Amino acid sequence: SYELTQPPSMSVSPGQTASITCSGDKLGDKYAFWYQQKPGQSPVLVIYQDTKRPSGIPERFSGTNSGNTATLTISGTQAMDEADYYCQAWGSSTVVFGGGTKLTVL
Amino acid sequence: EEQLVESGGGLVKPGGSLRLSCAASGFTLSNYSMNWVRQAPGKGLEWVSSISSSSRYTYYGDSVRGRFTVSRDNAKNSLDLQMNSLRVEDTAVYFCARSYDTSGAYGMDVWGQGTTVTVSS
Repeated sequence: SYELTQPPSMSVSPGQTASITCSGDKLGDKYAFWYQQKPGQSPVLVIYQDTKRPSGIPERFSGTNSGNTATLTISGTQAMDEADYYCQAWGSSTVVFGGGTKLTVL
Repeated sequence: EEQLVESGGGLVKPGGSLRLSCAASGFTLSNYSMNWVRQAPGKGLEWVSSISSSSRYTYYGDSVRGRFTVSRDNAKNSLDLQMNSLRVEDTAVYFCARSYDTSGAYGMDVWGQGTTVTVSS
């Protein structure tokens, strides 16, 4: 079965850039999606089709996807960006989520 | 406002059954595929099931296939998940989420607030 691998956690200082990776076999041949989830809240789609931002998502969120790795980049990270981030792709008749990355802003 | 509201969660004994519902408002459900995603306490997101807009195609995760059944009633703007033979490991918050289709080109752009299912003796 298809798997997506993310680092369990990472930390970033306010104002710096956070890059969260998501690895999967030939992930670049699929679309990657990214979700932000804050404690006690439902997930929110922040990147779709590798690089696109839904309406209302700040420009500091961006994405790339090539080869075996998709990357979510948060430029000028703010305290409000502290959350769990999940990558997602569609496999063959399945949906796959990465294990999630807890981003700490400190 | 486009909104999804789940209901039907609760406490059930192992081996029991539960039926979750998801009510859509602010958009026409028949234009979208729908998904169920769950999150066990302190864990990550796990895909459960997807259903195409017309109900022609249904898909299930390995851990629930054969026990769970997804269905929808577009006329009532609702989505259901029938859960049978429940196990302790099915304990989770269950979210319904919208996607344009299941082609792989679209993400889940609207999520409900979730409903909690607890399987315990």
